[in-house]
Amino acid sequence: GAGVSQSPSNKVTEKGKDVELRCDPISGHTALYWYRQSLGQGLEFLIYFQGNSAPDKSGLPSDRFSAERTGGSVSTLTIQRTQQEDSAVYLCASSLNYGGRNTGELFFGEGSRLTVL
Amino acid sequence: AQRVTQPEKLLSVFKGAPVELKCNYSYSGSPELFWYVQYSRQRLQLLLRHISRESIKGFTADLNKGETSFHLKKPFAQEEDSAMYYCALSVRRNTDKLIFGTGTRLQVFP
Repeated sequence: GAGVSQSPSNKVTEKGKDVELRCDPISGHTALYWYRQSLGQGLEFLIYFQGNSAPDKSGLPSDRFSAERTGGSVSTLTIQRTQQEDSAVYLCASSLNYGGRNTGELFFGEGSRLTVL
Repeated sequence: AQRVTQPEKLLSVFKGAPVELKCNYSYSGSPELFWYVQYSRQRLQLLLRHISRESIKGFTADLNKGETSFHLKKPFAQEEDSAMYYCALSVRRNTDKLIFGTGTRLQVFP
């Protein structure tokens, strides 16, 4: 597809279960970002990938959160032992890179809405 | 510390009225600032960036380094401008990420 694709679009899970959220970026975009969008909190940065490596994972809230990217393309955000406060919309975005710097224009997916009961 | 502040959660105006959405930032480096917009049931998308110095959909934003502000303005609001607006700061030092504010919801009434 032409845009950033995320799955699942909606996920309801029970407290304590693990969840995996997937992001398929725009082809050719080397930078990939995960953000969390909560009511009243705006967009909270989680992690940033350049290729397969993550130069900045400073936004991951706890060690229950992890992410990986393979083949310079698809990324998976994993939340272990989910808690109710993890309920939010998880947004993925990708960006082009020119001369080692990202353009600053992020292309966002539609998000994965996670509800932890 | 890097921070973006949008003091207004909600801004309501009537069609044809001027609009100013406020954004202030805190950053010790050379700032690159952006406005993103999310219309109802659509994806978050770039509206404009300060280095372009362009007007998009009638909106403009000027970077004021003295006041560390990047307010978004439009002289005559339209109903279709109703959306969520996020100000964002590009942080390049040891990383390459955008930091977003908490957003301002603009409601334009007919």
